[in-house]
Amino acid sequence: GAVVSQHPSRVICKSGTSVKIECRSLDFQATTMFWYRQFPKQSLMLMATSNEGSKATYEQGVEKDKFLINHASLTLSTLTVTSAHPEDSSFYICSARDQGGGHQETQYFGPGTRLLVL
Amino acid sequence: EDQVTQSPEALRLQEGESSSLNCSYTVSGLRGLFWYRQDPGKGPEFLFTLYSAGEEKEKERLKATLTKKESFLHITAPKPEDSATYLCAVLGAHQKVTFGTGTKLQVIP
Repeated sequence: GAVVSQHPSRVICKSGTSVKIECRSLDFQATTMFWYRQFPKQSLMLMATSNEGSKATYEQGVEKDKFLINHASLTLSTLTVTSAHPEDSSFYICSARDQGGGHQETQYFGPGTRLLVL
Repeated sequence: EDQVTQSPEALRLQEGESSSLNCSYTVSGLRGLFWYRQDPGKGPEFLFTLYSAGEEKEKERLKATLTKKESFLHITAPKPEDSATYLCAVLGAHQKVTFGTGTKLQVIP
């Protein structure tokens, strides 16, 4: 099956620093990747759609200058949380669609990155 | 606006006690309905995609069914390792996936 990886799995940083999270599709190419945020005991909230070779599309209320997304290749998207603050602490999850697979509509998720901003 | 409602919010079963989880949805132009399993502190794990009413899919003790208004995830003779939160999501014509809030399943030995 399609595999998506994320790195790092956990990160602790000081307030004001920037944190980069990588999302990779390991065995398939993904022209579109998605970034989600999940608060405890809540469902996934879509932050942005990452498009290979073009600018990301952000959901309403998500600051594009705060959450920088780069989708430089068909297998890699990065999310950079700039000038992180404690309220940015959350569980960030990426997903990707296997464009060449039989289930082209299905999103496969990474294992998530737990961010704690002190 | 697409909506997904899952019930119950939480379900506690004895090992071997079969049951069903419900996912009611409204969507503009259904392109797919998805079931995922999520363990604490991990990303959702893909289970099934259903595309049209009447479709059914099975995997081990799980069976997913779909009608025009809802989907059921049937769990037959569950084991403790089936304990997790089960998420339902729909993809509409506008290409956005909408998730439900999930059903937290606990299977007691």
